[in-house]
Amino acid sequence: EPEVTQTPSHQVTQMGQEVILRCVPISNHLYFYWYRQILGQKVEFLVSFYNNEISEKSEIFDDQFSVERPDGSNFTLKIRSTKLEDSAMYFCASRKGGGSYNEQFFGPGTRLTVL
Amino acid sequence: SQQGEEDPQALSIQEGENATMNCSYKTSINNLQWYRQNSGRGLVHLILIRSNEREKHSGRLRVTLDTSKKSSSLLITASRAADTASYFCATVLTDSWGKFQFGAGTQVVVTP
Repeated sequence: EPEVTQTPSHQVTQMGQEVILRCVPISNHLYFYWYRQILGQKVEFLVSFYNNEISEKSEIFDDQFSVERPDGSNFTLKIRSTKLEDSAMYFCASRKGGGSYNEQFFGPGTRLTVL
Repeated sequence: SQQGEEDPQALSIQEGENATMNCSYKTSINNLQWYRQNSGRGLVHLILIRSNEREKHSGRLRVTLDTSKKSSSLLITASRAADTASYFCATVLTDSWGKFQFGAGTQVVVTP
């Protein structure tokens, strides 16, 4: 069964460093999402991406964040200068088109630890 | 105010018992979906219920949706130790690009 994959599973970085989290969505999906979950808290929406552009973003998704779909396969989240509070589990998700009446498939997540 | 709030926050039951958890939300939705998360792991989709549906079943899962009360419930029947996980409801708002708003989740522990 097709699945969303994410790499790396765990990333440790120093404060101020740039990180790129990678996701490979399901191949025939058209809508892509990033969410994050700080330890012990709820899953929060970061950004949605459709037709090679951001369709919606939350207040969390500030200028330090960017997303890209460089090659029609990968979907990346870049954090330009990481802060301690960026430590969280980051989930990528994708869904088919045809309205929002369908499920999102989540990847296993990347645990980001900022020291 | 938060969209998609579950209660209870935690639930501890014996194997074989039923587990019921509720989710309330505040604004109009397209659909509501339930996910399970094992500790430190990814989110596994359980069931989707559309705003024009009232009840849905999938195996041992039963979901109800009451749009007049803006609430949903998830029932797991005949629970097993493997059902131990956190359960989240996620709402998809109308006029959105399908983004989810998650609740804080219900942590379910099923003891053998």
